[in-house]
Amino acid sequence: DTAVSQTPKYLVTQMGNDKSIKCEQNLGHDTMYWYKQDSKKFLKIMFSYNNKELIINETVPNRFSPKSPDKAHLNLHINSLELGDSAVYFCASSQGGPADTQYFGPGTRLTVL
Amino acid sequence: QKEVEQNSGPLSVPEGAIASLNCTYSDRGSQSFFWYRQYSGKSPELIMSIYSNGDKEDGRFTAQLNKASQYVSLLIRDSQPSDSATYLCAVNFSGGSNYKLTFGKGTLLTVNP
Repeated sequence: DTAVSQTPKYLVTQMGNDKSIKCEQNLGHDTMYWYKQDSKKFLKIMFSYNNKELIINETVPNRFSPKSPDKAHLNLHINSLELGDSAVYFCASSQGGPADTQYFGPGTRLTVL
Repeated sequence: QKEVEQNSGPLSVPEGAIASLNCTYSDRGSQSFFWYRQYSGKSPELIMSIYSNGDKEDGRFTAQLNKASQYVSLLIRDSQPSDSATYLCAVNFSGGSNYKLTFGKGTLLTVNP
């Protein structure tokens, strides 16, 4: 019973390609997040969604487009991938806002060649 | 820019010792503070949350909060090799940034047998 799941776990692709990462939570939470963790392990918020509505867009390039078809799913589509996009992307969810415990997915390691 | 600062370490302690991890934050109005643990190659998981000044204990872990000094710490008593991980301090800032967690860069802890 995985609480927050992400697919794929690994993603290797060429510069300029478009790719998507999917996230699902079965906890019944209202809020979902995307984080980027770079090679120095710095974890930085990208987007927050509450009940399918975008709450936070943390000055992420337009090439990144989140989509939340329902409150259990939050997908991330990335256009025209660049070398600097290589990182681990974590999805997370919480019952209410970020003051509630956040549960993280296993992460997707994206490598752009 | 609201920030969370941590010593990057690495912090090395012998088994059985007390490990002390420190964190400072820039926004005096912040209300919610968290310590997450991240094992290498894994996702962050919540260790402790603290909202009021003073100490909060949970097993071998004690979180300490001093809002006047804008300082939060985590003490790990009787450190075990299994505690070896990166510890991330996170703050839910007040105001317009309050729908996200801001993470520090983490402190790498190594507990030597």
